[in-house]
Amino acid sequence: AQSVTQLDSQVPVFEEAPVELRCNYSSSVSVYLFWYVQYPNQGLQLLLKYLSGSTLVESINGFEAEFNKSQTSFHLRKPSVHISDTAEYFCAVRGSGNTPLVFGKGTRLSVIA
Amino acid sequence: DTAVSQTPKYLVTQMGNDKSIKCEQNLGHDTMYWYKQDSKKFLKIMFSYNNKELIINETVPNRFSPKSPDKAHLNLHINSLELGDSAVYFCASSNLVGTYEQYFGPGTRLTVT
Repeated sequence: AQSVTQLDSQVPVFEEAPVELRCNYSSSVSVYLFWYVQYPNQGLQLLLKYLSGSTLVESINGFEAEFNKSQTSFHLRKPSVHISDTAEYFCAVRGSGNTPLVFGKGTRLSVIA
Repeated sequence: DTAVSQTPKYLVTQMGNDKSIKCEQNLGHDTMYWYKQDSKKFLKIMFSYNNKELIINETVPNRFSPKSPDKAHLNLHINSLELGDSAVYFCASSNLVGTYEQYFGPGTRLTVT
């Protein structure tokens, strides 16, 4: 079965500083990788996804993630964070076919003014 | 024009009661899911229905019974509620094939006293 490890449960960072949220997944023949964001008291929103093709994927609000097959990683990065980026971030993986989305335990990003 | 909606948003009830949570999606997806998010923010799949048929049934007590009257609706009924059932329950939908991304509802915060 697929599994996802988010190594950092909490990441505090100052506003306008860069951030990296780490995600590693268990190896499989083919995987689909996702980052979801959950703002306080809200549901999950898809931030970005990797299905195939270019290993670098970007979101509309400045986040990017790189699929690294050899390291089985899909780390999320942003060069300059804003207060509004404060949220819980979940990495998720899914295999092909009738397999469920498996989530990591989440990383709480706190942006400090 | 909400994509995935859930009712109610908050549910406070006493131990031993029976309650239901409703979910509807207007995205034309063929698959719907229920997830449970515990107090530590950990998300775990509970059930998945594809075209009204149960395709994923994780280790969940028999007190939880999903029902899908049509492919746009997936309700969750919980019998004999226990303190440990307190959590946020999220409904989601997707297509079984294709981009695989799941769209989440806003969540239902269930508190059992």
